[in-house]
Amino acid sequence: AQSVTQPDIHITVSEGASLELRCNYSYGATPYLFWYVQSPGQGLQLLLKYFSGDTLVQGIKGFEAEFKRSQSSFNLRKPSVHWSDAAEYFCAVGLYSGGYNKLIFGAGTRLAVHP
Amino acid sequence: NAGVTQTPKFRVLKTGQSMTLLCAQDMNHEYMYWYRQDPGMGLRLIHYSVGEGTTAKGEVPDGYNVSRLKKQNFLLGLESAAPSQTSVYFCASSPKTGTGGYEQFFGPGTRLTVL
Repeated sequence: AQSVTQPDIHITVSEGASLELRCNYSYGATPYLFWYVQSPGQGLQLLLKYFSGDTLVQGIKGFEAEFKRSQSSFNLRKPSVHWSDAAEYFCAVGLYSGGYNKLIFGAGTRLAVHP
Repeated sequence: NAGVTQTPKFRVLKTGQSMTLLCAQDMNHEYMYWYRQDPGMGLRLIHYSVGEGTTAKGEVPDGYNVSRLKKQNFLLGLESAAPSQTSVYFCASSPKTGTGGYEQFFGPGTRLTVL
């Protein structure tokens, strides 16, 4: 069965430090992969997505993610974190199953940023 | 465009009361979804719809009903609310594709508390 694992429930970084959020997926075929961000009290906003081609994808707000098929991973990175990046981040696998577009979400990683 | 909107934003119910959550989208999307978000569990699909007049069960459908009488609207009903239904509810929509390669667009959420 398809699944997404985000091993880190909470991460705390200092403002200006680099960030890497981990995501591992289980899916038999080539996956469609997404990262969403949820700011406090808000809905989910798409940060970036991977469908095919270049394994390093750029997103909004200075984020990037790298798809590594051999490790079944799609880790999210940012070189310098800003206080406004404090939020919850969700990794998801997209597939077409049962006649509709389906997203399988990880449990999320909550990011705190210290000044 | 407003994208995906949800009403109400907040609601407090007593056990046994009923209510309906309204989702509206102005992107002419075929697919619509209702999720619930609980701490540490990511987003779980309650019900979905692949078009006007059609609905189907997702991962956690018990205690909920849905209707899609118009393409742009997707209603989620709780007939007899229970404390276990205390959660944040998100509506989403996406275009119809034959692959999993399209993101879903999310509303701002409804925070429901059942006492």
